[in-house]
This record gives sequence, structure tokens and C-alpha cells, in this order.
Amino acid sequence: GESVGLHLPTLSVQEGDNSIINCAYSNSASDYFIWYKQESGKGPQFIIDIRSNMDKRQGQRVTVLLNKTVKHLSLQIAATQPGDSAVYFCAETDPPGGSQGNLIFGKGTKLSVKP
Amino acid sequence: KAGVTQTPRYLIKTRGQQVTLSCSPISGHRSVSWYQQTPGQGLQFLFEYFSETQRNKGNFPGRFSGRQFSNSRSEMNVSTLELGDSALYLCASSPQYMNTEAFFGQGTRLTVV
Repeated sequence: GESVGLHLPTLSVQEGDNSIINCAYSNSASDYFIWYKQESGKGPQFIIDIRSNMDKRQGQRVTVLLNKTVKHLSLQIAATQPGDSAVYFCAETDPPGGSQGNLIFGKGTKLSVKP
Repeated sequence: KAGVTQTPRYLIKTRGQQVTLSCSPISGHRSVSWYQQTPGQGLQFLFEYFSETQRNKGNFPGRFSGRQFSNSRSEMNVSTLELGDSALYLCASSPQYMNTEAFFGQGTRLTVV
């Protein structure tokens, strides 16, 4: 039969508001995490990364927070713009400390920005 | 600096055929990884190449194979295509193979009919 599509969580925000996208990761030993943005018809675009020896990292309009105690990542986008509308994925390395190429991706969150 | 380039962008193949996809990494990047993206399974790791050697392999059947050339360009091959192989195949490159940011291409959309 036909595969059931992944039910993506959706976050709808007003233009100009801040967005927070959450992600739970699976391996407590994971030591490197990346957030990607994927627009329709395009490949994932690197946004920001963080290593496990950090709790927070800031980029341009984006901040990633890492809570190792509960194995949780979040991506904060300040002053969300219509161009931020996309699916956002978190990814962790597998095995921990191993090749970056073996990334485990979360299911993704669809961000929809209302003008 | 040019990004990751994947060719072709779109492909339609018939069940039982084989297909070869190509990926040119960012200049200077030596690691190339391949991923399959489907609505049902999301993004899944296929394999990674560094210095012409396969370093890691995901849980895909032997019909999926790849290689990397001395200029870091990579190809992946899928033999005996099945309908379920229809997917977006993504290539990512990074400077090294140890925990560094990976940059993706736009992907090759493969449709098997």
C-alpha cells in the first residue's frame, strides 16, 4: 500500500513575532547537532550548529539552545519573516563523535508565517 | 563559491532499471554523504564517502551503492529499481568527515513507474 506521510507538527506565527521550534533527540551521547531549513523544492539549508559542550549559540536572528539533561534542542527565530516559512529539521550525529555524514534527522516542523 | 551540485534534477525510470545520480561537492570539501527523503520515512542516511572510501553506510539494501572519485565528486547507483525507491535523493558535502557542518544540494527527484 501507499506509505502514510509523516505528520509534521506545524507552527503558525505572525510576521514579526519570535518563533521557537523544538526537537527531542535520541542519544544522550550525541555531541553535535545541526538545524536545517528546507524550503519547498530545495535541499536542506544549514542554519546553525552546536556542540554538546555548549548550552547556547547565536547566529543572525537565530539562537539554538541545548538542554542535555532532557535531550532537547530548540531553535529560536527572532522577528520571523515570511521568508522563514519552511520545514525545519534538527539533526544529531550518529555515532556520537563519529562521522558527520551519518546524521539522524528529526521528523521536522513546518513553520508558517502569516503576513 | 559554488554550492553542492546534483545532476540530474529530475528522473523518471521504470521498475527494474538502474540509475546513477551525480554529486559535485563544494570546492575543497572532501566528504560527501547521500540521503534519501520520502514523505513516509523522512530523511534517511544512505552512505558517506571521504577520500574515495566509504566511511559509513545506512540501512539500505545492496541495490544502493556509491563511489567517490579523486576530485571528491560522488555518484550513487540504484539497481533493479522498485516503486518504493521514488524519492528525493540529497547529497551533502563537508570539509572533513568529523563533526563538521554539512551543506546540501538541491537533490535529484527520482520517480519510478
